Amino acid sequence: NAGVTQTPKFQVLKTGQSMTLQCAQDMNHEYMSWYRQDPGMGLRLIHYSVGAGITDQGEVPNGYNVSRSTTEDFPLRLLSAAPSQTSVYFCASSSNTIGFDSPLHFGNGTRLTVT
Amino acid sequence: AQSVAQPEDQVNVAEGNPLTVKCTYSVSGNPYLFWYVQYPNRGLQFLLKYITGDNLVKGSYGFEAEFNKSQTSFHLKKPSALVSDSALYFCAVSGDTDKLIFGTGTRLQVFP
Repeated sequence: NAGVTQTPKFQVLKTGQSMTLQCAQDMNHEYMSWYRQDPGMGLRLIHYSVGAGITDQGEVPNGYNVSRSTTEDFPLRLLSAAPSQTSVYFCASSSNTIGFDSPLHFGNGTRLTVT
Repeated sequence: AQSVAQPEDQVNVAEGNPLTVKCTYSVSGNPYLFWYVQYPNRGLQFLLKYITGDNLVKGSYGFEAEFNKSQTSFHLKKPSALVSDSALYFCAVSGDTDKLIFGTGTRLQVFP
């Protein structure tokens, strides 16, 4: 059982380049989310999804796009990378039913550097 | 709006001594509260949660947390710290939304 799988593990981009961070889960979880982790700022929610075809914005959505065409996959797109997007990105999923009654399962992260 | 505060950037404790990592929260509606631990270069691992019921919640690796509604707190505790408990700890809260909001984290250092 792989859980939450993120690819790539590391990525270096130049300012203005685009890329997609991949996230897949094999637990049949309806809820998926993306966070970024920066020193001193903890984890901040970028976007989340409560099911296929449904996405919504978190705390810091600007500069990022998401889509949810299947239950398993939740890719995060950077359309025009900026140095401020240098961070560690985590994807997480959960089997929430009523409210946030189940814990998030996290991937191992993608370390992104934008030069 | 939801928010979480972890007032201590770092907590130092000697091995064998009790430890407390503090967390306070603000939400609309009933809170869903979580503690996670992060080891270097890894994702976050779930420790414990409070949804409803007993105010003292027991979790993984001997950790427990006490929910205090009047003080809006959810402090993480362990009776006897181990060197292997040294890590980064995050408190998180959700209220009447689909968002789980994390605190800024507290680094726990346990010295032999």
